[in-house]
Amino acid sequence: QVQLQESGPGLVKPSQTLSLTCTVSGGSLSSNYYYWSWIRQPAGKGLEWIGRIYASGSTNYNPSLKSRVTISLDTPKNQLSLKLSSVTAADTAVYYCARDFSDWGRGTLVTVSS
Amino acid sequence: QTVVTQEPSLTVSPGGTVTLTCASSTGAVTGGYYPNWFQQKPGQTPRALIFSTNNRHSWTPARFSGSLLGDKAVLTVSGVQPEDEADYYCLLYYSGAWVFGGGTKLTVL
Repeated sequence: QVQLQESGPGLVKPSQTLSLTCTVSGGSLSSNYYYWSWIRQPAGKGLEWIGRIYASGSTNYNPSLKSRVTISLDTPKNQLSLKLSSVTAADTAVYYCARDFSDWGRGTLVTVSS
Repeated sequence: QTVVTQEPSLTVSPGGTVTLTCASSTGAVTGGYYPNWFQQKPGQTPRALIFSTNNRHSWTPARFSGSLLGDKAVLTVSGVQPEDEADYYCLLYYSGAWVFGGGTKLTVL
């Protein structure tokens, strides 16, 4: 049973870069069968797909976020990461990582505030 | 910008049947959009129910079914249980990008 755990700073200042890590256990990031996604959800609002990465390193991003997002893999550590630059209050949300869309982490709240 | 539209809210009686729909601003939803459906209860992580239009996950109760109807993807819940009260989201694929619908709040009353 794969498990995913998001981690990172809970508070980020406006204009800075949000950096999150998703640690995967019970499954390998190097498997070609899956892709790994980041999804976010502002409080009281709906889900927004941020982007995904394959084991090959190939990525796809939400067009509305593409200029600010980088998703990468650290295969030896079995971790994937999310970097979102130039953040504003609108980026305040619970951030989830997921394998395909079947298995999800519990999410981590990131607040953008000075 | 692509928009995926769901009913904001629906109400169903216990034991009844309800259909949730998922429409695309680009036109008819087909199997090539690989519709996914998720359930989210308050304070919980979204849980995947259906993938690729009509495939249940191993944990998805049989009362949940996915299909295409007309120009939309639909999620049908038959024999609704009180624990089915939740938010439901659809997800569609657009040539490398995925887009969530705004969600449907299902009330069981």
